[in-house]
Amino acid sequence: GIQVEQSPPDLILQEGANSTLRCNFSDSVNNLQWFHQNPWGQLINLFYIPSGTKQNGRLSATTVATERYSLLYISSSQTTDSGVYFCAVHLWGGSEKLVFGKGTKLTVNP
Amino acid sequence: NAGVTQTPKFRVLKTGQSMTLLCAQDMNHEYMYWYRQDPGMGLRLIHYSVGEGTTAKGEVPDGYNVSRLKKQNFLLGLESAAPSQTSVYFCASRRIEQGFTEAFFGQGTRLTVV
Repeated sequence: GIQVEQSPPDLILQEGANSTLRCNFSDSVNNLQWFHQNPWGQLINLFYIPSGTKQNGRLSATTVATERYSLLYISSSQTTDSGVYFCAVHLWGGSEKLVFGKGTKLTVNP
Repeated sequence: NAGVTQTPKFRVLKTGQSMTLLCAQDMNHEYMYWYRQDPGMGLRLIHYSVGEGTTAKGEVPDGYNVSRLKKQNFLLGLESAAPSQTSVYFCASRRIEQGFTEAFFGQGTRLTVV
C-alpha cells in the first residue's frame, strides 16, 4: 500500500522561528490534507491541498503532486502552534482510504 | 453546525465487556471512517463506509464491528474488549463532490480497557 512519511519526527523551536515540515508519499494521490492535533487531542483541518500552494495567516502549504511531496511552512511560530502535525493522503484509483503519516511533533518554547 | 460528533468522549471498560461508539455527522457526507490512534503509530484505519448499508475493513479491523444503517451515523462496536484496544478513537466523514474530498474529524473518544 501507499507509504506516507513525515519528517522530521520531532522539532523544537523558539517562539518566533520559522519551520518547514515535509510529507513524502509513494504513489499518486488525489487528496492531501494537513492536520494539527492540539495538546487536547483535537484534529484541526489546516489545508486541503492535493496540488499547488495555499496560505492561511502564518501557515502555508505546497504540494508538488508530480514529485510526490508536500511541505507545510510555519512562520513566526507561537507556543499555540505546539502539537502534532499530520499529513493524510487519499489515493487515485478506487481506494477510499485516507492514509496518515506518523506525524511531526512540534514544540514551541517561549 | 455540529459537524462530526462522537459519543462518548471517555470510557473505561473491563476486559471482556462490550460497548458501542457512536459517530454522527450532519453534513450529508457519503464516506465515514473509524480510526484509532496509539502513541508513535499515527492514525490507523479500522473500518470505513462508502454509503448507507455498506462497510469495509481497514488496516486494523480485528476485534471490531461496524454498522451504517443510516447515512448520518456510523457505529463502532467492541464485542469483547481487550487491553490492546485501549486507544483514542476518531471518526471522520468526507463528501464526494466534483472531486473535492476534504475529510472532517470528530473530537475523539478515549477508551481504556482494564
